[in-house]
Amino acid sequence: QVQLVQSGAEVRKPGASVKISCKASGYTFSNFAMHWVRQAPGQRLEWMGWINAGNGNTKYSENFQGRVTITRDTSASTLYVDLSGLRSEDTAVYYCARGWTGGWSYWGQGTPVTVSS
Amino acid sequence: QSALTQPPSVSGSPGQSVTISCTGTSSDVGTYNRVSWYQQPPGSAPKLMIYEVSNRPSGVPDRFSGSKSGNTASLTISGLQAEDEAEYYCSSYTSSATFVFGGGTKLTVL
Repeated sequence: QVQLVQSGAEVRKPGASVKISCKASGYTFSNFAMHWVRQAPGQRLEWMGWINAGNGNTKYSENFQGRVTITRDTSASTLYVDLSGLRSEDTAVYYCARGWTGGWSYWGQGTPVTVSS
Repeated sequence: QSALTQPPSVSGSPGQSVTISCTGTSSDVGTYNRVSWYQQPPGSAPKLMIYEVSNRPSGVPDRFSGSKSGNTASLTISGLQAEDEAEYYCSSYTSSATFVFGGGTKLTVL
């Protein structure tokens, strides 16, 4: 069965960077696109960006102004998101999700990231 | 990219029907049939309920249906059940090859 298992909770100071992983299993990793979505406490879902796991092409939300980088390791069936220049507003739960443009049927369990001095 | 517009809350009694709207623009909802709906109980990851405007993934009850007219998509839940109480989000593909979510709608089953 399809599973997306994310890395554990992270705590960072303002200005630092964080890299979160999402290990996929149960399907051919390179056949699908992968997305990162985050949710600040009590707030709406926010789309961050996506990667074609096959060819590595990426697209990011303008809201992150170059602070986000999505990569993948096809040999390990693992997706990554790197967010730099952290500020308190980046405190959120970060989710990976699988799918192309029609909808995302598989989600990771979420990784809480806390940014605090 | 601005968020899609959803009502903050809707409510209904068991057995009734409710509809949640999701209004975008001609750059997203109005042009692409790539609208999806997600159910999110508190503290849980989102669950796909509708994809490509009106399609249900396997396992989603047929009480859930989706539609679209112009720049507005809608999710209708008929025969409300207590277990349907959750936050619901719409999402759309955009002309920038990005995606945008709605602000979320809290469904309360009275």
